Amino acid sequence: SYELTQPPSVSVSPGQTASITCSGDKLDNKYACWYQQKAGQSPVMVIYQDTKRPSGIPERFSGSNSGNTATLTISGTQAMDEADYYCQAWDSTTEVFGGGTKLTVL
Amino acid sequence: EVQLVQSGAEVKKPGESLKISCKGSGYSFANYWIAWVRQMPGKGLEWMGIIYPADSDTRYSPSFQGQVTISADKSISTASLQWSSLKASDTAMYYCATGAGYSSGWPYWGQGTLVTVSS
Repeated sequence: SYELTQPPSVSVSPGQTASITCSGDKLDNKYACWYQQKAGQSPVMVIYQDTKRPSGIPERFSGSNSGNTATLTISGTQAMDEADYYCQAWDSTTEVFGGGTKLTVL
Repeated sequence: EVQLVQSGAEVKKPGESLKISCKGSGYSFANYWIAWVRQMPGKGLEWMGIIYPADSDTRYSPSFQGQVTISADKSISTASLQWSSLKASDTAMYYCATGAGYSSGWPYWGQGTLVTVSS
């Protein structure tokens, strides 16, 4: 079965750029989405179709997908961005989530 | 405004059956996919399956095939997730989400239903 691999944790200082990776075989042949989940809350989609931001998502969130790796980039990271982030992609007729990355802003 | 409202928390014993629900409003319920996602305590998101309410086309993750049943009643804009015999390992938060499916992702999520299975 298809697997997506994320680093368990990423740390960033406020105002700096955070990059969270998601690796999967030939991932750039698929579309990647990214979700943010804050403690005790439902997930929120922050990127879809590799690079698109849903309405209401700040411009500091961006995405890319090349080769075997999709990347979520948060520019000018703020304390409010501290959360778990999950990548997601379709494989054939099923979806897969990555294991999640805890972003710490310190 | 698109809303998904899920049924309340449940506490069940092993072996019992359960059906939880997800009611959509503010959009054309029948014409958008509904997904179910499991989150076990302290763990990540797991995609369970999806249903297209207009024709009940249903797809399951291999990990959940045969373990749960996903259904939808478009006449009442409600999707459901059910178990015939719960196990302690089914203890988790269950989310429904809706969207156009495939590459469009899941832009709208319910608030989650916590299912606790304990003897």
